[in-house]
Amino acid sequence: AQKITQTQPGMFVQEKEAVTLDCTYDTSDPSYGLFWYKQPSSGEMIFLIYQGSYDQQNATEGRYSLNFQKARKSANLVISASQLGDSAMYFCAMREAYNNDMRFGAGTRLTVKP
Amino acid sequence: NAGVTQTPKFRILKIGQSMTLQCTQDMNHNYMYWYRQDPGMGLKLIYYSVGAGITDKGEVPNGYNVSRSTTEDFPLRLELAAPSQTSVYFCASSSPDNLYGYTFGSGTRLTVV
Repeated sequence: AQKITQTQPGMFVQEKEAVTLDCTYDTSDPSYGLFWYKQPSSGEMIFLIYQGSYDQQNATEGRYSLNFQKARKSANLVISASQLGDSAMYFCAMREAYNNDMRFGAGTRLTVKP
Repeated sequence: NAGVTQTPKFRILKIGQSMTLQCTQDMNHNYMYWYRQDPGMGLKLIYYSVGAGITDKGEVPNGYNVSRSTTEDFPLRLELAAPSQTSVYFCASSSPDNLYGYTFGSGTRLTVV
């Protein structure tokens, strides 16, 4: 069964600094996708970035990058130049290619300090 | 482009009451999902559908029912509401291509008292 682990319940970062949010996963399927979502205090789920298991390069989307280490089964989110608006819950998720159940981690609450 | 629309946004139910959470999407997505998010937790899949007329159970289906008569609509039915069903419910949709992830609705906050 697929499983997502986020070991950091809360993280603090100074404004304009970079921060890494950890995510490890467990799957026996060779084909899968990894996702990060942001959930601000307003509650909506915002898609940030996607990494496919066969992608050779780490995904990047603006200030977001995904540090994908396939052998270690980790998919850490790196946010560069943190902004106050980055304060939110961040969820890592995985979906196996032939499984319609996207599984989510428990989340990390990021607080950006001015 | 509305995306995924959920109604209502908030609801308080008494124990034993029933209700239907509505979800509609206008992106012609085949796949639709219902998740629940308990306080401080990640999302858990209740039910999903890969197309009109096809539904299947997710991780936590007990106490819920769904139907998918059209591509656009995927209502979630709660029968005999219980306090354990107090949660935030998210509907989502996606295309078969994993690349763009899911599009989520804004959620329904349900309290059962």
